[in-house]
Amino acid sequence: KAGVTQTPRYLIKTRGQQVTLSCSPISGHRSVSWYQQTPGQGLQFLFEYFSETQRNKGNFPGRFSGRQFSNSRSEMNVSTLELGDSALYLCASSLVASGRSDTQYFGPGTRLTVL
Amino acid sequence: DQQVKQNSPSLSVQEGRISILNCDYTNSMFDYFLWYKKYPAEGPTFLISISSIKDKNEDGRFTVFLNKSAKHLSLHIVPSQPGDSAVYFCAAISGTYKYIFGTGTRLKVLA
Repeated sequence: KAGVTQTPRYLIKTRGQQVTLSCSPISGHRSVSWYQQTPGQGLQFLFEYFSETQRNKGNFPGRFSGRQFSNSRSEMNVSTLELGDSALYLCASSLVASGRSDTQYFGPGTRLTVL
Repeated sequence: DQQVKQNSPSLSVQEGRISILNCDYTNSMFDYFLWYKKYPAEGPTFLISISSIKDKNEDGRFTVFLNKSAKHLSLHIVPSQPGDSAVYFCAAISGTYKYIFGTGTRLKVLA
């Protein structure tokens, strides 16, 4: 079974631009979560989607948004990029609910650099 | 406010010895805890988990201990192997299903 895939793997943008990252979950998984990883901050939860609905949201500004399609694929968008948005963005999928009995499986991440 | 803390950014251990990675949390509502391992250029992979109704869970060389009164959990790796060298993240879940991750501990196992 194929794992979680994320595209692109690397991205360089300039301040003020916008970016869209894509995540394809493991086949059959319906929950997709997004995380931002920066040095010293660990993984910060952005949001979770389940059945095309945002179920949970972390403490990030409105410039960060996402969506999920009917095939469970998810996209994350960041508008008006800032230097501080440079990070590794990780997507994780789980079968039904990102919770106790349902392990999250992570993709390799998209490394975003904002110049 | 960091609800899950890994106060040791790095740890070096000799091959064959025990590695102990620590994690502290502040929210008493957390009722499920997990450890993930991350190699460079890869996403984190699930290692082991523990429910708050238990104080120990073992899987091969990996054992997680939970001390609820101290709000502390630890991951023991015995014996440590060079392939265990990675960044280890602990995570906690509360009723809202959000994973709260620590900042990670980089483990280096010396051959």
